[in-house]
Amino acid sequence: DAMVIQNPRYQVTQFGKPVTLSCSQTLNHNVMYWYQQKSSQAPKLLFHYYDKDFNNEADTPDNFQSRRPNTSFCFLDIRSPGLGDAAMYLCATSSGGGTTDTQYFGPGTRLTVL
Amino acid sequence: AQSVAQPEDQVNVAEGNPLTVKCTYSVSGNPYLFWYVQYPNRGLQFLLKYITGDNLVKGSYGFEAEFNKSQTSFHLKKPSALVSDSALYFCAVRFMDSNYQLIWGAGTKLIIKP
Repeated sequence: DAMVIQNPRYQVTQFGKPVTLSCSQTLNHNVMYWYQQKSSQAPKLLFHYYDKDFNNEADTPDNFQSRRPNTSFCFLDIRSPGLGDAAMYLCATSSGGGTTDTQYFGPGTRLTVL
Repeated sequence: AQSVAQPEDQVNVAEGNPLTVKCTYSVSGNPYLFWYVQYPNRGLQFLLKYITGDNLVKGSYGFEAEFNKSQTSFHLKKPSALVSDSALYFCAVRFMDSNYQLIWGAGTKLIIKP
């Protein structure tokens, strides 16, 4: 089945130690998104890629970076995680970013910062 | 400002009874409306969406939602609740001038009691 895969499902890191979260998709979608979700709140969009075009949300901290080396993979890099960055990180994809597009989510990576 | 509201933090329903999870929106144009469900420590799963046409939309797991333009609402419904429907439900909306970003409601926790 076509799907969005996130690895690892659970990630523990130390304060200030860089961490990378991975997302891959078999849907062949053009758009990939990264969201941050805290404590059952609504997900907050960090950035998205339309193909190779990177779009950063205005309030996304500089501590968060992303890479998309090819259509299938997208990475979230947190350069110096703080305690406030502990959250669920969700990757999503959509086919073309059009107004009627549906976003399909991966299972998420829960990040713990010690 | 464009916004989405889920007026109930939590909804409690007895198994077998009908359920409704409410969503209202504020918009200056035509909205495209989505419902997602999230089980504990999982990503968001797409349930259904309204784009145009019939105001009653049928989705996954027996859920449906009714678009009401005059009341600016898109309530999620199911005729007979199951204990397994217990989860967190998010309403989201996209407007015509935003081709990728979803505006999310705060979420409603649905508890189905046996």
